[in-house]
Amino acid sequence: EAGVTQSPTHLIKTRGQQVTLRCSPISGHTSVYWYQQALGLGLQFLLWYDEGEERNRGNFPPRFSGRQFPNYSSELNVNALELEDSALYLCASSLAEGDSYFNEKLFFGSGTQLSVL
Amino acid sequence: GQNIDQPTEMTATEGAIVQINCTYQTSGFNGLFWYQQHAGEAPTFLSYNVLDGLEEKGRFSSFLSRSKGYSYLLLKELQMKDSASYLCAVRPGYSTLTFGKGTMLLVSP
Repeated sequence: EAGVTQSPTHLIKTRGQQVTLRCSPISGHTSVYWYQQALGLGLQFLLWYDEGEERNRGNFPPRFSGRQFPNYSSELNVNALELEDSALYLCASSLAEGDSYFNEKLFFGSGTQLSVL
Repeated sequence: GQNIDQPTEMTATEGAIVQINCTYQTSGFNGLFWYQQHAGEAPTFLSYNVLDGLEEKGRFSSFLSRSKGYSYLLLKELQMKDSASYLCAVRPGYSTLTFGKGTMLLVSP
């Protein structure tokens, strides 16, 4: 069974540009999460999508946005890139079904390393 | 707000036992997770605790005390491949996981 896949693996952009990162969840998983992992800061929650809807959003500016498609894949868009956006962007997926939600573990992809120059 | 603390770095010797602590202060609690992340790789799930006590899974065990807001991950019979970052994460409520900054463990021969 294929795991969570992300593309591209590496990306170099300049300040002010826009970027789109892509994520395909594990087959059957309906929830997709996006996290930012900057050096020394740990994983910071960005966005959570489930069944095509945005369920929760972390403390990030509106230039971070995304969407989930009918096949449950997802995109993360970052506009007006800033130097501090340089980080590893991790996507994770899970089954989010009713009472089983709380112990549902996240399965992570290997991430997209974004460098903003 | 949510606050999760764990040591930044730890070192240990091959074959030894190491305990990685995690303390948390969160608005609500619906479980604590430990993940392992090797450099350049995806975090992988290690353990989940929601009730007080010890959960054992092979060489790895995880402990939780909800009243103290405290957990630890115990790694026995350390191997070189255990050198990685260990991430403590809490699910505060009906919400997504909040992660600590991670503990970088270096195992030496």
